[in-house]
Amino acid sequence: QAVVTQEPSLTVSPGGTVTLTCGSSTGAVTSGHYPYWLQQKPGQGPRTLVYDISKRPSWTPARFSGYLLGDKAALTLSGAQPEDEAEYYCLLSSMGFLVFGGGTKLTVL
Amino acid sequence: EVQLVESGGGSVQPGGSLRLSCAAPGFTFNSYWMHWVRQAPGKGLVWVARIRSDGSDIGYADFVRGRFTISRDNVKNTLYLQMYSLRAEDTAVYYCWGVPDYWGQGTLVTVSS
Repeated sequence: QAVVTQEPSLTVSPGGTVTLTCGSSTGAVTSGHYPYWLQQKPGQGPRTLVYDISKRPSWTPARFSGYLLGDKAALTLSGAQPEDEAEYYCLLSSMGFLVFGGGTKLTVL
Repeated sequence: EVQLVESGGGSVQPGGSLRLSCAAPGFTFNSYWMHWVRQAPGKGLVWVARIRSDGSDIGYADFVRGRFTISRDNVKNTLYLQMYSLRAEDTAVYYCWGVPDYWGQGTLVTVSS
């Protein structure tokens, strides 16, 4: 079963841009992994931010964009807001199983 | 706004059983693949199980296979997770998830003697 890797922590300045990445121990992340990005704030449940690489639910601000970057999935936040401070999880589908990454703690400072 | 509501969590001794439910009122439940995801205290998210919209395809994470059973009732718009032989390491908040973008608020399961 794949191990999904994410940066443990990142910091971005208010109004700045940051990119989170998501890799797989089994090789390149592709569209067949249907990459998801989830956001979780302290004391709250998770919320889907992006799915199937780049699709956004209606509540996801346009400043979040998902895509494939080389052999990884990526999530770019452009114009960070204080309310974007949260834990971000990548999720990949792999051989019928779903595997979460360990999460990236994003600090807006 | 769609709201999934989990219930059935609580405290149980090691080796015990619990059944979690996830109600989905006002939601076209029978159109969605549903999953259970858990989160141990202070830890990350972990996928537990999935079930296809019509119940015909089911899958489990290796660490729960044989102990947990996922099911659904598309008439009652409810998802279930029957948990047997519970262990201390099953202690977590359990979330139901309607793919791609509907989540419940979670229900806490504590396994302790």
